[in-house]
Amino acid sequence: ETGVTQTPRHLVMGMTNKKSLKCEQHLGHNAMYWYKQSAKKPLELMFVYSLEERVENNSVPSRFSPECPNSSHLFLHLHTLQPEDSALYLCASSQTWGQGTDTQYFGPGTRLTVL
Amino acid sequence: AQSVAQPEDQVNVAEGNPLTVKCTYSVSGNPYLFWYVQYPNRGLQFLLKYITGDNLVKGSYGFEAEFNKSQTSFHLKKPSALVSDSALYFCAVRGGNTGGFKTIFGAGTRLFVKA
Repeated sequence: ETGVTQTPRHLVMGMTNKKSLKCEQHLGHNAMYWYKQSAKKPLELMFVYSLEERVENNSVPSRFSPECPNSSHLFLHLHTLQPEDSALYLCASSQTWGQGTDTQYFGPGTRLTVL
Repeated sequence: AQSVAQPEDQVNVAEGNPLTVKCTYSVSGNPYLFWYVQYPNRGLQFLLKYITGDNLVKGSYGFEAEFNKSQTSFHLKKPSALVSDSALYFCAVRGGNTGGFKTIFGAGTRLFVKA
């Protein structure tokens, strides 16, 4: 276990649904990340929070809405998704955002299927 | 701009033989380089990283990687492969003079170790 948990592990939703992904880290880290992993594509960085403040938003569609209520929790709110949004969504954390040497620790991911 | 290339989609090796998973990178300035492994239905797990110093970096599960600045490479190696090493391997780069704080991941190389 890496100290980063994600729920749910699997999610199937229709295009009109609203759902949320949850991530929690038990490592005392100050930075948290959302990545999208699609088959045969590099990991896509979606959002970064540092000390609960969003510091990176990688041109992600507004149907994805992140929330970081404290340094241990990160949410990804989903609404009116498209089938091409089906992917594995990974949460990660690191000690800081600004230190290039910091290692990121990943959760197990949420496998999302949009029908 | 930073980039990472993993030229092989798949690597096949017999158990007990040495394995190499290739990675090349492009950054301005000094890079920070990482290797992660992903087992089925799991998130990415950190294997090792190069920050500075000795070009040969040793990591988890008997893996090591060699930083070669002139060839801009960071190949992952293991002297004797195990069937349990079969997984998806990601190379990543961070830092450099103009790289900012984002980690750029390669597309991944699938390693099959045959008994």
